Amino acid sequence: DAGVIQSPRHEVTEMGQEVTLRCKPISGHNSLFWYRQTMMRGLELLIYFNNNVPIDDSGMPEDRFSAKMPNASFSTLKIQPSEPRDSAVYFCASSLYGENTIYFGEGSWLTVV
Amino acid sequence: SQQGEEDPQALSIQEGENATMNCSYKTSINNLQWYRQNSGRGLVHLILIRSNEREKHSGRLRVTLDTSKKSSSLLITASRAADTASYFCATGPRGGSEKLVFGKGTKLTVNP
Repeated sequence: DAGVIQSPRHEVTEMGQEVTLRCKPISGHNSLFWYRQTMMRGLELLIYFNNNVPIDDSGMPEDRFSAKMPNASFSTLKIQPSEPRDSAVYFCASSLYGENTIYFGEGSWLTVV
Repeated sequence: SQQGEEDPQALSIQEGENATMNCSYKTSINNLQWYRQNSGRGLVHLILIRSNEREKHSGRLRVTLDTSKKSSSLLITASRAADTASYFCATGPRGGSEKLVFGKGTKLTVNP
């Protein structure tokens, strides 16, 4: 079975540009999570969805960040405008609601210069 | 905010030795999980222990949980070079929320 698929794997962009990260969860999973990982702050939960509905977005750092899940097989995390401090690895993860274990993608490595 | 805090931050051992990593947390939990992250990769689930369990085994892994001390430990026995990775604990809060909160991890290096 395919795992969680993220794209792009690596992105380098200039400050002020819009960045869109994409995620395809594991088929059949109904919960989806976006995490951000940095050396300083570790792994932070940004937002999570259940059945395509955002449940908790308290981790979204500011209005420049937005996330959508238009259907059960696709989600995006958008940063507009991007800033150098947004440089991090962004992970998407999915799970079957109630099963506790979550499955991570390989991450999108974002560098904003 | 971080819930789990792993200790030590880094650990270097020789192949064949045992590796022990600890995790402390602050609030009541439903379960505690350990994940592994190889360099440049995503996290992979290793083992889950529920709040009413005290010990759990999976292959060379042994996890303990002490809810009175709000702490857990992960023991990897007979370590191999391939065990080199970062190890994270994650806590699942009471109430059934799926909001796992991760610590900053222990970086384990197993020298051949």
